[in-house]
Amino acid sequence: KAGVTQTPRYLIKTRGQQVTLSCSPISGHRSVSWYQQTPGQGLQFLFEYFSETQRNKGNFPGRFSGRQFSNSRSEMNVSTLELGDSALYLCASSLSPGNQPQHFGDGTRLSIL
Amino acid sequence: AQSVTQLDSQVPVFEEAPVELRCNYSSSVSVYLFWYVQYPNQGLQLLLKYLSGSTLVKGINGFEAEFNKSQTSFHLRKPSVHISDTAEYFCAVSGAGVGSGGSYIPTFGRGTSLIVHP
Repeated sequence: KAGVTQTPRYLIKTRGQQVTLSCSPISGHRSVSWYQQTPGQGLQFLFEYFSETQRNKGNFPGRFSGRQFSNSRSEMNVSTLELGDSALYLCASSLSPGNQPQHFGDGTRLSIL
Repeated sequence: AQSVTQLDSQVPVFEEAPVELRCNYSSSVSVYLFWYVQYPNQGLQLLLKYLSGSTLVKGINGFEAEFNKSQTSFHLRKPSVHISDTAEYFCAVSGAGVGSGGSYIPTFGRGTSLIVHP
């Protein structure tokens, strides 16, 4: 069974640009969550999607957004990139919301120059 | 609100020695507890989980953890570590399911870097 797949693995952008990251969950998993991991703040929850609806959102500015498609694949978008957005972005999937544990992808390493 | 404190940011140990990584949590509702491991340039992999039942939980790679409700702790242990156990370890807590009154979104600790020396 394929695991959670995140693309791309690495991305370099400049300030002011926007970026879209993709996540394909484990087959059959319908809940997708996104996390930001940085050395300074650790792992922080961004948002959770289920059945194409955002169910929970963390404490991040509106520049961070996401969506989920009917096949449960999810994308997150960050607009007007700032240097502080440099981080490892992790996607995790589970069968349904509140169903633990979550299964994580290997992440997308985003670097802002 | 729930929170997790991993008491040690770094734990150096020699190969084949025992190790304990400490985790304390705070929550006003029943909780689920987890330990994850992260190797360089990879995502998080579940080591073990406590949902209910026996307070001693065994996981993969020879790790185990004990849930202590009175001390609100969930320390991770391994009797004999290998070089390959060198990694970052994260403790996480979530509310015990939808309807528990707590958030089922997991809250993660800041991580403990386990460094195994030959």
